[in-house]
Amino acid sequence: GENVEQHPSTLSVQEGDSAVIKCTYSDSASNYFPWYKQELGKGSQLIIDIRSNVGEKKDQRIAVTLNKTAKHFSLHITETQPEDSAVYFCAASKGYGNKLVFGAGTILRVKS
Amino acid sequence: ETGVTQTPRHLVMGMTNKKSLKCEQHLGHNAMYWYKQSAKKPLELMFVYNFKEQTENNSVPSRFSPECPNSSHLFLHLHTLQPEDSALYLCASSQPGGSNYGYTFGSGTRLTVV
Repeated sequence: GENVEQHPSTLSVQEGDSAVIKCTYSDSASNYFPWYKQELGKGSQLIIDIRSNVGEKKDQRIAVTLNKTAKHFSLHITETQPEDSAVYFCAASKGYGNKLVFGAGTILRVKS
Repeated sequence: ETGVTQTPRHLVMGMTNKKSLKCEQHLGHNAMYWYKQSAKKPLELMFVYNFKEQTENNSVPSRFSPECPNSSHLFLHLHTLQPEDSALYLCASSQPGGSNYGYTFGSGTRLTVV
């Protein structure tokens, strides 16, 4: 079955710096890779996702890159702000109706 | 709110109690999921329902019993739980393929078994 590894487990950055979180997956049939942000008391919310037919996707300060050959994908947050502090989870899936397999999460702390 | 509503938000129960968690979505999604989030562990899939039919049971103990009466509602019935079952239980739903495979999560139920 699919296995997703996520690094680092914790990440501290200075406000304004960039943050990068990396995930690797094992099942080459996976084709959908979402990223979730979990804030205390707010549950997990989708912040960006990418399909296997594209290599990069951007949404304002957030971007995700995918390398299908190497089976890894990364979340990039630029110009970090204190409100970016949260737990971030990556996941991999074969699409609709198939389960999401999650990474272990990264605690991001943005210091002001 | 994300469109997926979970109740209650917090639950404390004894090991001999019977309780139920509820999940509701009106997003038109046809797949619903239960996930368990324990401290310092990845989110673990428990059950998957597609069009009200259970399509996956990820070796979950029988003290957890899911029920999906329709595509909008999902329950997790709990009985004779153990303290190690204390965790955040998250419900999610997803919509058919096409331009968006997105999953939507509820805010979760924080369960404490005493």
